[in-house]
Amino acid sequence: QKEVEQNSGPLSVPEGAIASLNCTYSDRGSQSFFWYRQYSGKSPELIMFIYSNGDKEDGRFTAQLNKASQYVSLLIRDSQPSDSATYLCAVNWIKAAGNKLTFGGGTRVLVKP
Amino acid sequence: KAGVTQTPRYLIKTRGQQVTLSCSPISGHRSVSWYQQTPGQGLQFLFEYFSETQRNKGNFPGRFSGRQFSNSRSEMNVSTLELGDSALYLCASSLVRGLAIPDTQYFGPGTRLTVL
Repeated sequence: QKEVEQNSGPLSVPEGAIASLNCTYSDRGSQSFFWYRQYSGKSPELIMFIYSNGDKEDGRFTAQLNKASQYVSLLIRDSQPSDSATYLCAVNWIKAAGNKLTFGGGTRVLVKP
Repeated sequence: KAGVTQTPRYLIKTRGQQVTLSCSPISGHRSVSWYQQTPGQGLQFLFEYFSETQRNKGNFPGRFSGRQFSNSRSEMNVSTLELGDSALYLCASSLVRGLAIPDTQYFGPGTRLTVL
């Protein structure tokens, strides 16, 4: 059973600080990794994806991937109250087999003014 | 470009009935995936369709089925509804690219199904 694990939180962060979210996965063969944000009552919204070891930056967001240790993380810099949401980590195991995302349970983030 | 659309947005059914949900992908996207989201189980993959063929299937009973049409629009059907089928059903579409580049899935607003 391929698994994706996230701390459920809530992760409480002061406004302007850095929020650090972690995700671990069980299958070393995993190929691509995605971060989604989901506001209460809404559908998931793609933040970014990463598939090579190292860091990938997009605005205030940085994804970090370490395949040897089987974890992927998301940093949110200069956190804003509007960043308060649940962040979902998702893994696509083998792209050649098509699109089949396995999601973690999500980490709830609360940014306090 | 219009996003993924799903109809209906809300649905109330009773046990034993069947339901059909519809999804229109982003223009040009040929892969459509369906997910079920519940508070207890989180987001779980149901199936994926590409070029009118089911390419992947999750661990759901045969009561859950789907299909895709030549215009890439997709429907999913749940027969003999059970109370536990109450959930948010999400459709996601993606542009299928080469093997070296991940396909990014974009979600629709979902259909909230309540089974009484």
